[in-house]
Amino acid sequence: DAGVTQSPTHLIKTRGQQVTLRCSPKSGHDTVSWYQQALGQGPQFIFQYYEEEERQRGNFPDRFSGHQFPNYSSELNVNALLLGDSALYLCASSLRKGSVIAAVAFFGQGTRLTVV
Amino acid sequence: DAKTTQPPSMDCAEGRAANLPCNHSTISGNEYVYWYRQIHSQGPQYIIHGLKNNETNEMASLIITEDRKSSTLILPHATLRDTAVYYCIVRPNNAGNMLTFGGGTRLMVKP
Repeated sequence: DAGVTQSPTHLIKTRGQQVTLRCSPKSGHDTVSWYQQALGQGPQFIFQYYEEEERQRGNFPDRFSGHQFPNYSSELNVNALLLGDSALYLCASSLRKGSVIAAVAFFGQGTRLTVV
Repeated sequence: DAKTTQPPSMDCAEGRAANLPCNHSTISGNEYVYWYRQIHSQGPQYIIHGLKNNETNEMASLIITEDRKSSTLILPHATLRDTAVYYCIVRPNNAGNMLTFGGGTRLMVKP
């Protein structure tokens, strides 16, 4: 049973460019969340998707957007990259039962984004 | 969500128990205590969670004080592979995926 998979593992982009990161949730999971982790800090919640819609959003600008596909996989898009966007981007998945999302999240290994 | 306070770092000898404290004095009645850890260059890993009773699983034990204002994560026989940053998180059980990570405790297990 594959866990949460993210691609690519590493990425280098130039300031001002756009980037798309991808996430496949753990088998059977339908809810995906994205986190940004700057060096030496804890992960910060970006947003959460289920039923192909954004459901919760953290304190991130509109440059950060996402998408969830019918197969529950998800993309994180960041436009107009800034040097400060350099970070580890983590995807987490869990299972929603009715109106309750399971409390335990499973994380992927992350995508290391470097903006130069 | 309630705020948590953890020591920034701790050391533990290999084979000994590691006891990681967490203060959550503003915890609400419907908030659970979760512990995750993050080994270097990996994504966070769920360890255990509880409401008010002590909990144990194959990885660790969680001891929550009677007033629920603090808790301790216990790794009974720490190994070098337990070296990681340990995060204590408090949140309602129905809060969705959103997890608010603080600075955590960097546990160094030494031979």
